[in-house]
Amino acid sequence: GAVVSQHPSRVICKSGTSVKIECRSLDFQATTMFWYRQFPKQSLMLMATSNEGSKATYEQGVEKDKFLINHASLTLSTLTVTSAHPEDSSFYICSASRQRAKNIQYFGAGTRLSVL
Amino acid sequence: DQQVKQNSPSLSVQEGRISILNCDYTNSMFDYFLWYKKYPAEGPTFLISISSIKDKNEDGRFTVFLNKSAKHLSLHIVPSQPGDSAVYFCAASITSGSRLTFGEGTQLTVNP
Repeated sequence: GAVVSQHPSRVICKSGTSVKIECRSLDFQATTMFWYRQFPKQSLMLMATSNEGSKATYEQGVEKDKFLINHASLTLSTLTVTSAHPEDSSFYICSASRQRAKNIQYFGAGTRLSVL
Repeated sequence: DQQVKQNSPSLSVQEGRISILNCDYTNSMFDYFLWYKKYPAEGPTFLISISSIKDKNEDGRFTVFLNKSAKHLSLHIVPSQPGDSAVYFCAASITSGSRLTFGEGTQLTVNP
């Protein structure tokens, strides 16, 4: 159990376009979902925390208008990178936790975003 | 301020021997610790966790040790296998919240 699916796994887009990444918990209800960004050879940096039905909480330095997060149901959260620029190219990973074991996060496979 | 640190960026071990990965933390509020394994271009996979009320937790070949006074935890893998080669991240959290703070990761290479 505790499978998290993230789609797409890779996306290449032109500068100025928007990209949507989906994160789904397949076999459990995720009260909280998280979005991370990882730069090469670095750790995972938390971007935002989202709870179903409420606004996401963004980490300091993360632009909420650029990285739109929607958590419309207990199994789906989306991250939209708006007006993407080459510096937004990165590896984005989502995770989800269950209510009864909220200290453990289960991760998706990640999305490699390349902005040309 | 790096609250969770993995000081060894890499570790190389012979197959069959023990791998010991170390992690230090500074925030005394952390009371739950986790180890994740990550392959390139994939998300981290949860391995094992430990609560601060324990000093050891074992699951098959994986054992996590926690030394609260030293603010140090370690992951032991015995015996190490080539398939264990990956980046290992330790993470810490405060039970009342849900966010994880990750270390920088240690690349483990198990040589056949």
